Amino acid sequence: DAGVTQSPTHLIKTRGQQVTLRCSPKSGHDTVSWYQQALGQGPQFIFQYYEEEERQRGNFPDRFSGHQFPNYSSELNVNALLLGDSALYLCASSFDRWDTEAFFGQGTRLTVV
Amino acid sequence: GQQVMQIPQYQHVQEGEDFTTYCNSSTTLSNIQWYKQRPGGHPVFLIQLVKSGEVKKQKRLTFQFGEAKKNSSLHITATQTTDVGTYFCAGLPGTASKLTFGTGTRLQVTL
Repeated sequence: DAGVTQSPTHLIKTRGQQVTLRCSPKSGHDTVSWYQQALGQGPQFIFQYYEEEERQRGNFPDRFSGHQFPNYSSELNVNALLLGDSALYLCASSFDRWDTEAFFGQGTRLTVV
Repeated sequence: GQQVMQIPQYQHVQEGEDFTTYCNSSTTLSNIQWYKQRPGGHPVFLIQLVKSGEVKKQKRLTFQFGEAKKNSSLHITATQTTDVGTYFCAGLPGTASKLTFGTGTRLQVTL
């Protein structure tokens, strides 16, 4: 049983460019959340997808958008990249219950130069 | 917005010593989860606490949830080098499943 998989593992982009990160949830999970983790910080909630809709959103600008597909996989898109967007982007999947643990992928390390 | 703070930020112990990290939320939580992140790795779920005053143990790890459901602690007895990593608490403010992570405590264990 595969866990949460993310691609790519590493990415280097130039300021102003756009990036798409991908996530496949753990088998059986229907909810996907995205987090941004800057170096030395805790993960910061970006948004959560359930039934192909954005259900909750953290304090991130509209440059951050996402999508969930019918097979529950998800994408995170970031437009007009800034140097400050450099971080580890984590995807977490779970069941649609409030009291359930989140399973994290290994993350995508994004560097903006 | 909700804030979750942890202390200390960093602790360095000798193997065999005990370690405790404390987690405090600005708002009441419906539950709290603890995660461990090894250097270069991703957060891995350790445990979830739901009830006020709840105490749970996992071998050398003891987790507590405060009576007011605004604070929590993780205590490790007789640390080992395999305990190295950053420990995060993550709170759920209500029945919504938006986890707010704490600032983390980085644990270093040396022989």
